[in-house]
Amino acid sequence: GAVVSQHPSWVICKSGTSVKIECRSLDFQATTMFWYRQFPKQSLMLMATSNEGSKATYEQGVEKDKFLINHASLTLSTLTVTSAHPEDSSFYICSARDSRLATGELFFGEGSRLTVL
Amino acid sequence: AQRVTQPEKLLSVFKGAPVELKCNYSYSGSPELFWYVQYSRQRLQLLLRHISRESIKGFTADLNKGETSFHLKKPFAQEEDSAMYYCALSAAAGNKLTFGGGTRVLVKP
Repeated sequence: GAVVSQHPSWVICKSGTSVKIECRSLDFQATTMFWYRQFPKQSLMLMATSNEGSKATYEQGVEKDKFLINHASLTLSTLTVTSAHPEDSSFYICSARDSRLATGELFFGEGSRLTVL
Repeated sequence: AQRVTQPEKLLSVFKGAPVELKCNYSYSGSPELFWYVQYSRQRLQLLLRHISRESIKGFTADLNKGETSFHLKKPFAQEEDSAMYYCALSAAAGNKLTFGGGTRVLVKP
């Protein structure tokens, strides 16, 4: 199946700094990628839909200025957590749709754990 | 709005026993339903989807539109089935997925 890779797998940063997380589709092109957030022992909550070459679509309640999404190419989407605070600590997961498949299956990255001190 | 509910947070069964994970959804249109599984320290991966009507690793799930359910079943659980299972809904192929809260399955020897 298609492979989605995230980097970094984990990151620790100081409060007030910005952190960038990359999501790459390794063997396919993804016009659409999705960013999810997962708190401990909770489900995945969709944050935004990342569209190649256009602005991301954010879910209600997600601050677009806080979580900057850029999808500059068909294989890369980035999520930047700006001015991070401890409450932003979470597990961030991206997924991508292989447009060659008609099934709608999404492929998930391994996730990036952010800890803000 | 679309919503997925998994009422059980934890299911503990013995090896060889049947296991059923419940999933109910609410959506005004005709959704596509999926089950995703996350094994320990691994990424989320697709287990099965209702449109393919297939059995994967002995698991089956039937979409019941009348009851708006998509329960996951396996007649004989194995220890390697221990994992976190998520039911998910999509309004259309390739659209965003809405996940249920997840059910942790623990299969005891």
